[in-house]
Amino acid sequence: EVQLVESGGGLVQPGGSLRLSCAASGFTFSTYTMNWVRQAPGKGLEWVSYISSSSTTIYYADSVKGRFTISRDNAKNSLYLQMNSLRDEDTAVYYCARDFGARVSWGQGTLVTVSS
Amino acid sequence: DIQMTQSPSSLSTSVGDRVTITCRASQSISSYLNWYQQKPGKAPKLLIYTASSLQSGVPSRFSGSGSGTDFTLTISSLQPEDFATYYCQQSYSTPYTFGQGTKLEIK
Repeated sequence: EVQLVESGGGLVQPGGSLRLSCAASGFTFSTYTMNWVRQAPGKGLEWVSYISSSSTTIYYADSVKGRFTISRDNAKNSLYLQMNSLRDEDTAVYYCARDFGARVSWGQGTLVTVSS
Repeated sequence: DIQMTQSPSSLSTSVGDRVTITCRASQSISSYLNWYQQKPGKAPKLLIYTASSLQSGVPSRFSGSGSGTDFTLTISSLQPEDFATYYCQQSYSTPYTFGQGTKLEIK
C-alpha cells in the first residue's frame, strides 16, 4: 500500500525556520517525481514545489522562491522541505504528493503555523 | 503562469441532482487536467486525470470532458457522500495551478 507520512510541522515565529519531512513507503520512491502542496486555513490548494526523481529538476512557486528548498533522499525514501524566513501567510497544512495524474498519492498533511 | 478559473464557487444541490462544474485555463493545457474531491480535514482525492480518465475505484457517476482550455466535471446523480469541495488542477506546466474550488452544499 502506498503511504506518504508528513512530519515536522508546528508553531514557529515569523522569520523562523522549519523542516518538513515526508516518509514514503509501498512503492519505489526513487522512480517518482514529488511535490509539496499547501492549503491555508479555509482556503484552496496551492502548489509549492516539485522535484524530479533524481533531483536534477526543481521548481518553486514564486511565493516561496528563495525561502524554501525542496530535497529528497532516495536511499531513505524521504522528501524534505526546508522553510526559512517564514511569514504569516505561510501558515497552512502542507501535503507531500507523489506525481500528478493517474499515479498521484497524497499524504495526510502537517500543519505549519507562523505566528508570534 | 496558467490561471485556472472554476465555476461556480459554490452550489446548493440535492441528492439525485445532476451537477456540472466547469474549469477554464488561461491558455491551452491539452488534456493535462485533473479533478479532485476534498472533504474537511482530509487530503484531496483524485477523481479524474487527463481530463476524462476515471481513477480506479471512483464511481462511474463521475465523468470529465474537455481539452485545450475548457473542461467539465459532471456528477450524474449526486449521492450524500458527494457533498464536498472539488478542485481542478493543470499538470501541463509549473506552477501546477489549481482552480479556486467548488463547494457542493445540501439544499
